Amino acid sequence: EADIYQTPRYLVIGTGKKITLECSQTMGHDKMYWYQQDPGMELHLIHYSYGVNSTEKGDLSSESTVSRIRTEHFPLTLESARPSHTSQYLCASSGYSIGSEAFFGQGTRLTVV
Amino acid sequence: GESVGLHLPTLSVQEGDNSIINCAYSNSASDYFIWYKQESGKGPQFIIDIRSNMDKRQGQRVTVLLNKTVKHLSLQIAATQPGDSAVYFCAERTGGKLIFGQGTTLQVKP
Repeated sequence: EADIYQTPRYLVIGTGKKITLECSQTMGHDKMYWYQQDPGMELHLIHYSYGVNSTEKGDLSSESTVSRIRTEHFPLTLESARPSHTSQYLCASSGYSIGSEAFFGQGTRLTVV
Repeated sequence: GESVGLHLPTLSVQEGDNSIINCAYSNSASDYFIWYKQESGKGPQFIIDIRSNMDKRQGQRVTVLLNKTVKHLSLQIAATQPGDSAVYFCAERTGGKLIFGQGTTLQVKP
């Protein structure tokens, strides 16, 4: 059973608001990832981290930012939400070895109105 | 850029038949590949993985085949069941990043 949690599961928020999506894992994994996924579409990597104080941008440009102050916590922040940010956001974590699979959270479905 | 793609967006099979889902990847430097299953409203769930130094790996009712010569990955599901209905993604690990391809929706007909 994967121990990675995302909150909230669903969020409807007005344009211009600042939001933070939470992601926590209790597996002690060094690597963590954020993906953006539109319904029925592929997952696009927007941020990843190799460990504490490490953050990298993914392949899909995103206006969001992330931080990694603690191993278990990898929050994603949008300073000013826009309708174009409406999507599902998935957090994942994995160990460092080659054969270490990534475990996913349940996702946060964000709607910006 | 790097990408991993699947050949068919939708695959429809009869319950009890075998399913084969294909994936073509582009980065020959990728050293690890994973198949995920995603049900509606949920995050992707690990099915099976394979390292680049292998060409076949079997699990319970699932087999993954890796052909590095043509950069092709496939997932075989034996005796497909209604509970197998979902979207399936292949993913490759390159340079620390886990890159996903487009999904294939598996529909199981009773």
